[in-house]
Amino acid sequence: DVKVTQSSRYLVKRTGEKVFLECVQDMDHENMFWYRQDPGLGLRLIYFSYDVKMKEKGDIPEGYSVSREKKERFSLILESASTNQTSMYLCASSLYGLSTTDTQYFGPGTRLTVL
Amino acid sequence: DQQVKQNSPSLSVQEGRISILNCDYTNSMFDYFLWYKKYPAEGPTFLISISSIKDKNEDGRFTVFLNKSAKHLSLHIVPSQPGDSAVYFCAASEMFDTGNQFYFGTGTSLTVIP
Repeated sequence: DVKVTQSSRYLVKRTGEKVFLECVQDMDHENMFWYRQDPGLGLRLIYFSYDVKMKEKGDIPEGYSVSREKKERFSLILESASTNQTSMYLCASSLYGLSTTDTQYFGPGTRLTVL
Repeated sequence: DQQVKQNSPSLSVQEGRISILNCDYTNSMFDYFLWYKKYPAEGPTFLISISSIKDKNEDGRFTVFLNKSAKHLSLHIVPSQPGDSAVYFCAASEMFDTGNQFYFGTGTSLTVIP
């Protein structure tokens, strides 16, 4: 069974704080992704990574950065948290870089509230 | 611009009846389609998928149909059970040189009434 874990299920931070969200997968997957989910907007891609130390911007990268120093770990960083970053953050991983039948597997999510 | 659309935000169905969730897409380069199920405060879980070379894929009570000419797919759940009540996301993937990119719809909240 694929296991994707996220460091926190619930997090409350103050405006201006630096926030780290950690994601770890245990299946040696090549690809990792960070999404945020908001009501009525579905899942929006923030950043993704196809290899260690490699990162690509998704649809909404502003205000976020990422780090992938090891294959199994992908971190999302909010440099200076703002109230509009209050959301559910979902990490996902997938195995095949170049297979048309690649499937994403998600972690349980982190509900972040920025006050 | 939303490339994958789920136009029905919610759906209510009686237990035992069929649930039909719909999804439309605009990009003809999508070659793989997936459905995910999500309970509140949990991450989405993979449910069923279909390759663009097929028009139907079945797994137990769940069947996904793909109509490429109409750029439309649907998920059928028969019979519907109260435990099926969740938000269902449709997703499509496109392969690039560096790997696959996934695009998600906005979700349909299914309520199965006992």
